Amino acid sequence: DIQMTQSPSSLSASVGDRVTITCRASQYIRSFLNWYQQIPGKAPKILIYGASNLQSGVPSRFSGSGSGTDFTLIISSLQPEDFATYYCQQGYGTPVTFGGGTKVEIK
Amino acid sequence: QGQLVESGGGLVRPGGSLRLSCAASGFSFSDYSLSWIRQAPGKGLEWISYINNGGNTIHYADSVQGRFTISRDNAKSSLYLQMNSLRVDDTAVYYCAREFVEMAHDYWGQGTLVAVSS
Repeated sequence: DIQMTQSPSSLSASVGDRVTITCRASQYIRSFLNWYQQIPGKAPKILIYGASNLQSGVPSRFSGSGSGTDFTLIISSLQPEDFATYYCQQGYGTPVTFGGGTKVEIK
Repeated sequence: QGQLVESGGGLVRPGGSLRLSCAASGFSFSDYSLSWIRQAPGKGLEWISYINNGGNTIHYADSVQGRFTISRDNAKSSLYLQMNSLRVDDTAVYYCAREFVEMAHDYWGQGTLVAVSS
């Protein structure tokens, strides 16, 4: 199985901060990497698919990059509604696997 | 706008069975692959099963292989998960999710809670 490792597991940031979350795959996954945001008590919401494609309706402060094994999600200017947990997920092969999550908290 | 609505969760004893349903609306159900994804309390996301649009390609996670069965009825725009031999560690919120590209999921249901306890 492909293991997905996210870092950090949690972070504290202020509104307006630039936030970077990384995700590493245990093997090559080309660009089959998706990012989700989950607010407590809610279903996940897709932000980025195919490593760098912004899902329709998602604010442009979210961006994704990377290919192969190393990927990054950047929030350019953190907003109050962005405090949530973020998950990466590989779609290169089954079983589909998720990273452990990064919880973004208010500083 | 598409929507997925799960049902069928509840409290069940270890070794018992449940059947989850996921009703779709607002999109052409038969054109899309779907997955079941679960989340144990306070934990991360775990993909457990996939079915393609025609129902002839199915995958399972090792953790549920042989115990869970995914199926779909395109005429009813519905996805199902038959869960047998349930264990305490199957306790989770179960989501159905639509795949729109290469295992990326754009529509998710609200989730249904399955609690396995004696």
